[in-house]
Amino acid sequence: AQTVTQSQPEMSVQEAETVTLSCTYDTSESDYYLFWYKQPPSRQMILVIRQEAYKQQNATENRFSVNFQKAAKSFSLKISDSQLGDAAMYFCAYRSFNTDKLIFGTGTRLQVFP
Amino acid sequence: DGGITQSPKYLFRKEGQNVTLSCEQNLNHDAMYWYRQDPGQGLRLIYYSQIVNDFQKGDIAEGYSVSREKKESFPLTVTSAQKNPTAFYLCASSITGTGNSPLHFGNGTRLTVT
Repeated sequence: AQTVTQSQPEMSVQEAETVTLSCTYDTSESDYYLFWYKQPPSRQMILVIRQEAYKQQNATENRFSVNFQKAAKSFSLKISDSQLGDAAMYFCAYRSFNTDKLIFGTGTRLQVFP
Repeated sequence: DGGITQSPKYLFRKEGQNVTLSCEQNLNHDAMYWYRQDPGQGLRLIYYSQIVNDFQKGDIAEGYSVSREKKESFPLTVTSAQKNPTAFYLCASSITGTGNSPLHFGNGTRLTVT
């Protein structure tokens, strides 16, 4: 079975600085999808970014980018120019190519200091 | 506006009572999901449904039941057999068969059983 590991329970960053959140996963599949979700204090889950495993190019969405290392099974999230509104729980998630199930990691709580 | 509605936001029940959490979506999505969120454990899949009148157990289905009689609705019943029902419950939906299609989440229901 696939698993997703987020080894950093908490991270902190100064406003305007850059922070990287780690995620590793375990799978024997070659085709799959990876996601980062953000959960602010309101507890609404918001999609941040997604990556298809067959694409070598790392996904980017404005200040958010990923470092996808397929061989290492690593999918880290980089947040540039951090803002106070980025403070939230961040979840990494994995989805197989042939199933609709989404498997989540345990999350990383990000604090942003002014 | 399209979205997912979970009700109520807070729910209180006495131990031994069954309780049903509501989830409605108007996104015309085929797939719907129920996740449970506990501190430090991320999101764990309870049940999911890819089509009307069909659903599959997730990783922690014991003590829960669901129905999918309409495309728009996927209610979750927490039965008295669930040993630790107090948790935050999230409902989600997605387009079926498109692996990179993200899950759209409701705002969640906080269930407290005493």
